[in-house]
Order: sequence, then structure tokens, then C-alpha cells
Amino acid sequence: DTEVTQTPKHLVMGMTNKKSLKCEQHMGHRAMYWYKQKAKKPPELMFVYSYEKLSINESVPSRFSPECPNSSLLNLHLHALQPEDSALYLCASSQGTAWDTQYFGPGTRLTVL
Amino acid sequence: QKEVEQNSGPLSVPEGAIASLNCTYSDRGSQSFFWYRQYSGKSPELIMFIYSNGDKEDGRFTAQLNKASQYVSLLIRDSQPSDSATYLCAVNDDSGGSNYKLTFGKGTLLTVNP
Repeated sequence: DTEVTQTPKHLVMGMTNKKSLKCEQHMGHRAMYWYKQKAKKPPELMFVYSYEKLSINESVPSRFSPECPNSSLLNLHLHALQPEDSALYLCASSQGTAWDTQYFGPGTRLTVL
Repeated sequence: QKEVEQNSGPLSVPEGAIASLNCTYSDRGSQSFFWYRQYSGKSPELIMFIYSNGDKEDGRFTAQLNKASQYVSLLIRDSQPSDSATYLCAVNDDSGGSNYKLTFGKGTLLTVNP
């Protein structure tokens, strides 16, 4: 089973709202990722958690705040977003060993008004 | 700046033909290579991964890797209209401490015509 789940599937929020995206996997993977994808562009890495510790932050604005409560869960807290942050947000996971395969969740389609 | 280059397409093939998707990468130290398929509005789905030089076959899909030429390809035999999608080539980032990072190509849009 290579399933990564994400909720919600769609989210519309105003620039003053606070919302959270959630990601879950039960494959025993120890690395989890957040990506942002704009239309007709490849996924763009935002954050990587390895063994529940933040290991990569790709200079993402502070209005995006990741959290890894345990090895199966990954959250992305959103606050004071801009319309240009509208995108497909993808979660992925991998075993946590070097160069291993990343499996993507279905994504959350975010629209910021 | 590590780069992964793909022909953006669109690549159009008739149903039943072989579709050939190509990818070159700049980092000679890269160790693992992936092909993802992405339907419009959906998330990337892993099709193949390859680590060693040569060919790797899985059903109608064959991945080919040539590390000396820094080239990886994906062949789709007996192409079906359901194969119509964007195919993303991804290469691991081998810089120390960053081997979780994938560098993606911009993707090739494949259209299989009935």
C-alpha cells in the first residue's frame, strides 16, 4: 500500500484567514514533504521532515508553517496568505533512506481570495 | 544550479505506437531517477524508478538510464489514450545532506490519439 492521504481536497480562504492542510501516511515512512505546484509547472519543494525533524526549508515565507506531530502526520498551517499562493499543495512521503522513492498524496487545491 | 531538461512537447503519437520521452540531467553525482505521470488537475503518480545503467521494464513501460551520457528515457509501448498526461522526470539531489531533494524537469505533455 503506497497511499498518502490529504485533507481537505479543496480549500478557499481569505487573506486574513487561518487554515491548516493535513497529510497522513501509514506506510512507516520516516520522511515527509510539502510541495507547491502551480499550473503547468513541476512541483516545487517547500519543506522536508526527516524522522519528525525539519531538515529542509526552501526559504518559504513565514505565512506557511509546517508541523510534524508524529511520524505519520504532517500539517501545513496557513496564515495571511496572498492570492499568488493559490496552487495545488502536495504532500509526499518516502522511507527516509538516501535517494528513495517519494509517493505523492492527491493534493489540496487552495484558492486564496 | 542542478538542472533536469525535458522536451516540453506536446508529443503526439497514435494509439498503439511507441512513445519515447527523454530527459537529461546536469548533476553527474545523481543516483536515482524517477518518472511520474500527472493527469491534468491530479497529483504525480510514480511510474518507474531506476538506479542502474541499462533498461528496466515494467509492463508496457521501459526506463533506460545512461549515466555516462547523463540521460534517462521512458518508453511506452502500445500507447493508449489513457496514457495521455504530463510525464515528469525527477532526479535526486546528491549534494551532501540534501539527498531527499528531487529536481524535476518541466514535464512532457503526451497525447495519444485514438
